[in-house]
Amino acid sequence: EVQLVQSGAEVIKPGESLKISCQASGYSFTSYWIGWVRQMPGKGLEWMGIIYPGDSDAIYSPSFQGQVTISADRSSRTAYLQWSSLKASDTAIYYCARRRDWVQSWSYFDYWGQGTLVTVSS
Amino acid sequence: EIVMTQSPATLSVSPGERATLSCRASQNVNDNLAWYQQKPGQSPRLLIYGASTRATDIPARFSGSGSGTEFTLTISSLQSEDFAVYYCQHYSTFGQGTKLEIK
Repeated sequence: EVQLVQSGAEVIKPGESLKISCQASGYSFTSYWIGWVRQMPGKGLEWMGIIYPGDSDAIYSPSFQGQVTISADRSSRTAYLQWSSLKASDTAIYYCARRRDWVQSWSYFDYWGQGTLVTVSS
Repeated sequence: EIVMTQSPATLSVSPGERATLSCRASQNVNDNLAWYQQKPGQSPRLLIYGASTRATDIPARFSGSGSGTEFTLTISSLQSEDFAVYYCQHYSTFGQGTKLEIK
């Protein structure tokens, strides 16, 4: 059974750093891209970026390039999303999701983590 | 950058009736279009990929159609559990969502 289990909720002060995680199980971790999606309070889904754990190649949305870092550890089957200096506007739920790609160029997220709520407040 | 536009923003439909949700791409995306359902407090769930292929365990009342720039998600007979927010997606772009509410 494919599962993505994310780390727990965080309350962080502005300016602090943070790294949240997404541990994968039930499939070949190095064979699928994993993405991160932001959902701000009461808002829609925003694609942040993806990483291919097989070679750690990462692609970022222009909106998030330079604002976050996506990484992966093959030994622990875990993907990470990190910030060096959080702002109040980073308050959101962050989801990880496995991306499925087909030769027909179809591409979509087929399995999702449960989400990690990050609250940035002084 | 391709922009995905969903309409309407909110759709009010009675249980048992048909719901039709639209998604428009700013450029041709062929059939590379997915639909997701999100209920309050839950993660999104994949419904449709390749514009018209139902994902595993998705009931047959959900169907997707379209190609190029115009896409439709149809729910043939609404059940209580179908009232949620629906998103379309092409690669790195999500639509803004359609909230399906009980009339």
